[in-house]
Amino acid sequence: GQQVMQIPQYQHVQEGEDFTTYCNSSTTLSNIQWYKQRPGGHPVFLIQLVKSGEVKKQKRLTFQFGEAKKNSSLHITATQTTDVGTYFCAGRETSGSRLTFGEGTQLTVNP
Amino acid sequence: DSGVTQTPKHLITATGQRVTLRCSPRSGDLSVYWYQQSLDQGLQFLIQYYNGEERAKGNILERFSAQQFPDLHSELNLSSLELGDSALYFCASSVESRGEAFFGQGTRLTVV
Repeated sequence: GQQVMQIPQYQHVQEGEDFTTYCNSSTTLSNIQWYKQRPGGHPVFLIQLVKSGEVKKQKRLTFQFGEAKKNSSLHITATQTTDVGTYFCAGRETSGSRLTFGEGTQLTVNP
Repeated sequence: DSGVTQTPKHLITATGQRVTLRCSPRSGDLSVYWYQQSLDQGLQFLIQYYNGEERAKGNILERFSAQQFPDLHSELNLSSLELGDSALYFCASSVESRGEAFFGQGTRLTVV
């Protein structure tokens, strides 16, 4: 079945440093979504990428979808303490509607 | 507030017991998903329903079952509970079967 892998599992940064998490799918995706889960909270939708090679920005966050629609990345510029949480990618399979989440990257930001 | 309501928020039960978790999707959403999240783990996909019909199935144990009712709310039934079933169970909903998912606050199940 479809597998979505995400690295790194943990990332500790100093406030102001950049952060990147990578996501790879075992199969070609219809679309990929990114979610953020704060400690003790529930996943919250950030963005959806649909097109091959698509790049989207939200303030300090940049999301990319690979040309082959099998990988994606999330880059945060100049992290802030409010960025703390776990970032998940979630891939939607092409042949159905199953939404498979990666293992997540837990980000901690030291002030 | 995502608009997705899950009840109960917390549940403590003994091994061997059966519990039912309930989810009310956002108004207008036809698709409901169930995920299991163990401590510091990712979100394991269990099952998805769309307008009352099963749409996709993940690694859901035979002891677990779910359904979506005509009013679109969904229930996840967990039976013959084991200690390893202790986890946070999330429900999510989306307008159609391929859109962004909105998550509820989750039900924390503790099996003792």
